[in-house]
Amino acid sequence: EPEVTQTPSHQVTQMGQEVILRCVPISNHLYFYWYRQILGQKVEFLVSFYNNEISEKSEIFDDQFSVERPDGSNFTLKIRSTKLEDSAMYFCASMGGRFSTNEKLFFGSGTQLSVL
Amino acid sequence: EDKVVQSPLSLVVHEGDTVTLNCSYEVTNFRSLLWYKQEKKAPTFLFMLTSSGIEKKSGRLSSILDKKELFSILNITATQTGDSAIYLCAVVLAGGTSYGKLTFGQGTILTVHP
Repeated sequence: EPEVTQTPSHQVTQMGQEVILRCVPISNHLYFYWYRQILGQKVEFLVSFYNNEISEKSEIFDDQFSVERPDGSNFTLKIRSTKLEDSAMYFCASMGGRFSTNEKLFFGSGTQLSVL
Repeated sequence: EDKVVQSPLSLVVHEGDTVTLNCSYEVTNFRSLLWYKQEKKAPTFLFMLTSSGIEKKSGRLSSILDKKELFSILNITATQTGDSAIYLCAVVLAGGTSYGKLTFGQGTILTVHP
C-alpha cells in the first residue's frame, strides 16, 4: 500500500538553528499537510498546501515556519530559528482529493524534533 | 472554537472484552469524522463517517455517527493485545481553505492485557 514517508525520523538541534523536515507524500495525492504533536498533547494542525500554495495555516505557523514543494515529489517544512517549544513530533499527511473515498488523510510516521 | 472531546481518556481491559470509545464534537462546519489508531508513531486510518446512523465495520471494529447528537462511537469486540494503542477521533471541516484540516480529540489510550 502506498505510504507517506518522512525523513529524518529523529532530529536533534540547538535552539536558534534552522531545520528542514522532509516528506514524500503519496504520489497521486493533491493535498498536503503538516501536523504536530507535543508530547502528551493533541495532534495539532499546522498548515495545508494545495496547488503549490498554502491553503490555510494555524496560529502556530508563524513567520518562523515555511513550507515548500520544490519538485514533484517532496514536501518540506522549514523552521528558521528553532525554539525549545518547537520540540514535538511532526507529521506530514497527504490526501487524494475531494469526494468520497479520497477524503482521508494518510499520515507519515513522523519526525521527532528535539530542540536543546 | 471547534472542539473534539474523547472519553474515556484511558481504558484498561482484558483480552476478549468489548470496549466502546466515545467522541463528541462541536464544530462550525462539519464535513466528516475520522477514527485513527496510533500505535508507535503514525496515526493509521480506521474509518471515515459522514452520514448518521450508518455503521462502518472492519473485522472486530465498528463505528457509527450521530449528527443530531454530535457524537460518534468506536466499538472493538473480542479485544486482543494488538488493539493496545491510542485511538484518535478527528473532525474534518467543510468548505474552502479548511479542507482537510483535522481537529483532533485528545485520544483514548487503550491497554489490553492478556
